[in-house]
Amino acid sequence: DTEVTQTPKHLVMGMTNKKSLKCEQHMGHRAMYWYKQKAKKPPELMFVYSYEKLSINESVPSRFSPECPNSSLLNLHLHALQPEDSALYLCASSQGEDRASDTIYFGEGSWLTVV
Amino acid sequence: AQSVTQLGSHVSVSEGALVLLRCNYSSSVPPYLFWYVQYPNQGLQLLLKYTSAATLVKGINGFEAEFKKSETSFHLTKPSAHMSDAAEYFCAVFKILTGGGNKLTFGTGTQLKVEL
Repeated sequence: DTEVTQTPKHLVMGMTNKKSLKCEQHMGHRAMYWYKQKAKKPPELMFVYSYEKLSINESVPSRFSPECPNSSLLNLHLHALQPEDSALYLCASSQGEDRASDTIYFGEGSWLTVV
Repeated sequence: AQSVTQLGSHVSVSEGALVLLRCNYSSSVPPYLFWYVQYPNQGLQLLLKYTSAATLVKGINGFEAEFKKSETSFHLTKPSAHMSDAAEYFCAVFKILTGGGNKLTFGTGTQLKVEL
């Protein structure tokens, strides 16, 4: 099973709302990721968690707040977003090994629209 | 910094024809390279990856790619296109992060259209 599950699939939120995106994997992976994909663009890395600790923040604005409650779950808390934050948010996971055999598996994504 | 360039944002082929999607890398050391596919309104699925074990890499759905150091290329091919191959294809370079985890940096993508 190489499944990464993301909820919700679609989310519409106002600029003053607080919402969260959720991600779950049961592959025993120790690294989890958030990528952002704007329309017609490639995915771009936002955050990396390794062994439940934030290891990389790619200069993401503080209105995006990641959380890793345990090794299987990854959340992305959203607050005071802007319309330009509308995008597909992809969660991913991998074994977290520091070698190229470490395949990164992606979820289906959560489509976010900020109005 | 390592990067990849995908030539051709749109490629159109007839069903049954050869598929060739181009990817060139920029790196001072041999990179680890991946091809992912993204079907409409879906996430990314790994097609294949090059990790220096073999220069010709076979992936899923009949795709393969050949790593050519002399040309700094890792082009994706499939002998015979099928309608179901219509999707966005991303070439990516893989970087091991010192803090844990790894990073994929994607090319701009190639939209493959398959016509009857």
